[in-house]
Amino acid sequence: SQQGEEDPQALSIQEGENATMNCSYKTSINNLQWYRQNSGRGLVHLILIRSNEREKHSGRLRVTLDTSKKSSSLLITASRAADTASYFCATDESGSEKLVFGKGTKLTVNP
Amino acid sequence: NAGVTQTPKFRVLKTGQSMTLLCAQDMNHEYMYWYRQDPGMGLRLIHYSVGEGTTAKGEVPDGYNVSRLKKQNFLLGLESAAPSQTSVYFCASSRRLAGSLGEQFFGPGTRLTVL
Repeated sequence: SQQGEEDPQALSIQEGENATMNCSYKTSINNLQWYRQNSGRGLVHLILIRSNEREKHSGRLRVTLDTSKKSSSLLITASRAADTASYFCATDESGSEKLVFGKGTKLTVNP
Repeated sequence: NAGVTQTPKFRVLKTGQSMTLLCAQDMNHEYMYWYRQDPGMGLRLIHYSVGEGTTAKGEVPDGYNVSRLKKQNFLLGLESAAPSQTSVYFCASSRRLAGSLGEQFFGPGTRLTVL
């Protein structure tokens, strides 16, 4: 079953701008994770935010989690052409043994 | 550490042929997963394992079988390949952290074409 749904499906920005991607989910979770996938490659973990956390930072990445709205956002500041990739959110449902991935947001950063 | 490795990287099969994809991890992770990803799509879970000797069905298990005889290896088998199984297959592994799932580490993928 599809848990995380990313929005928008595609995003095109200029280098130096900020990129914001959103993820919505439906049930209670233990944590929410964001991954990046460069074309043709395996996914790479970016950041994990637990259900009792509201905000987390890692370098140019900022993730927020609002469990009351069942939503999360990933902000990439001062984007670079190398940030061009697909970004996926994944949720760890309470009691589950597997992550459920969304369909992803395709980000293009134009130089 | 090699992380998660997948063998082979590419394969072309004819309809009806069988093959086994091998996933190996050297991080002593309990959990292992097989996903497929079709062009422009997200990941779909095929099968997964929460420990040596255990397997469970994911979202799209039909036409696939798996085995986890050793903790570090997770095999995905196609008994009779069909064109609909043309896809990129990713293996991943993770550990459990304080009652929740940790980050998943992904292999580089296997590109399978079924003619």
